[in-house]
Amino acid sequence: DGGITQSPKYLFRKEGQNVTLSCEQNLNHDAMYWYRQDPGQGLRLIYYSQIVNDFQKGDIAEGYSVSREKKESFPLTVTSAQKNPTAFYLCASRTSGTGAYEQYFGPGTRLTVT
Amino acid sequence: SQKIEQNSEALNIQEGKTATLTCNYTNYSPAYLQWYRQDPGRGPVFLLLIRENEKEKRKERLKVTFDTTLKQSLFHITASQPADSATYLCAPDTGRRALTFGSGTRLQVQP
Repeated sequence: DGGITQSPKYLFRKEGQNVTLSCEQNLNHDAMYWYRQDPGQGLRLIYYSQIVNDFQKGDIAEGYSVSREKKESFPLTVTSAQKNPTAFYLCASRTSGTGAYEQYFGPGTRLTVT
Repeated sequence: SQKIEQNSEALNIQEGKTATLTCNYTNYSPAYLQWYRQDPGRGPVFLLLIRENEKEKRKERLKVTFDTTLKQSLFHITASQPADSATYLCAPDTGRRALTFGSGTRLQVQP
């Protein structure tokens, strides 16, 4: 089955700790994305990567970091510098290049920091 | 700055009626516009994509229109069913960068 996996589904951390969220895809997509969703709100772009070993900041990158060492994987680290880390985090991927392509989303990770 | 507006109030309709959702955008020149469905606690799922040179696109009970002069897209679900209850997100797409989504409209179809 092709798709995007995110793990874990629920994650609990204490304030001041860094935490890494996993995202893996087997769709052979070049582009991968991280979004954050808060209750009753839309998706906000954190980081994206169009190709291996390259990534760009999205609209709310402060307090987050990413890496893209493999085409299949795009982990997101939520650092202690992120002031309000509790949220629903969604990873997505799509074919890159000119033209319109749908984005495929993972099931999400709900992070709670107390 | 770029802005995407979807009706933040929930839309409640009776089963069998047509639901119409609106997406307005400003300071964008999208070549495409995408619509997604999101169920609670899940990731969005792609529904339809319409190009700027297409006025209308249909898929089963779904219909999307795209008016680049009005900077607006309308999303219609005909013969709506309770299973259509979800949040629907629009995303103007320039084809060059990551998608930016509207905040979505929650649709509730009453049996």
